[in-house]
Amino acid sequence: TQLLEQSPQFLSIQEGENLTVYCNSSSVFSSLQWYRQEPGEGPVLLVTVVTGGEVKKLKRLTFQFGDARKDSSLHITAAQPGDTGLYLCAAYTGFQKLVFGTGTRLLVSP
Amino acid sequence: NAGVTQTPKFQVLKTGQSMTLQCAQDMNHEYMSWYRQDPGMGLRLIHYSVGAGITDQGEVPNGYNVSRSTTEDFPLRLLSAAPSQTSVYFCASRSTYEQYFGPGTRLTVT
Repeated sequence: TQLLEQSPQFLSIQEGENLTVYCNSSSVFSSLQWYRQEPGEGPVLLVTVVTGGEVKKLKRLTFQFGDARKDSSLHITAAQPGDTGLYLCAAYTGFQKLVFGTGTRLLVSP
Repeated sequence: NAGVTQTPKFQVLKTGQSMTLQCAQDMNHEYMSWYRQDPGMGLRLIHYSVGAGITDQGEVPNGYNVSRSTTEDFPLRLLSAAPSQTSVYFCASRSTYEQYFGPGTRLTVT
């Protein structure tokens, strides 16, 4: 069983639409990270959220950490083809172990 | 500005063969790790190291060995490759706030 479950697994939308990706767990985390991965490359860190209820914005991307620090969401406003990629949430468990969610593959068509 | 480098980029092995995936970083990070990425599974932690001479197991360590003789290098060894080890392998090194991934090694075991 995965510690971090993401939904949906796959999302195909048109340019200009809004979308939300969810990352859920039954465990409490001190922080949670979101990464984006493009084909043939390693994941790249987008943001780290630390405080329960925290909201961070990165241009058209809005990240929220749940009040209980068990879940997080990523909202993209007016998606563009350049947003296409695999979005991964990740969290530290135990000592120094960063574990990843199952991933959400996003395809934005012009 | 190399960051994290991995070699080879692609590799095909026959069942039972051995090989070493190379990983090097030039950022003087103490923490390094190896992940494998399979469809629908996100990234899973294989082994990690918090400094030269110190390694520990992640989520899926079976079939893999690691050692850390220098800060810069963290090779991953497959002693007897199995088809279940067909995957994309990513090496990462971590600063206080961010994890940096290499470009990956695509391994196929036939």
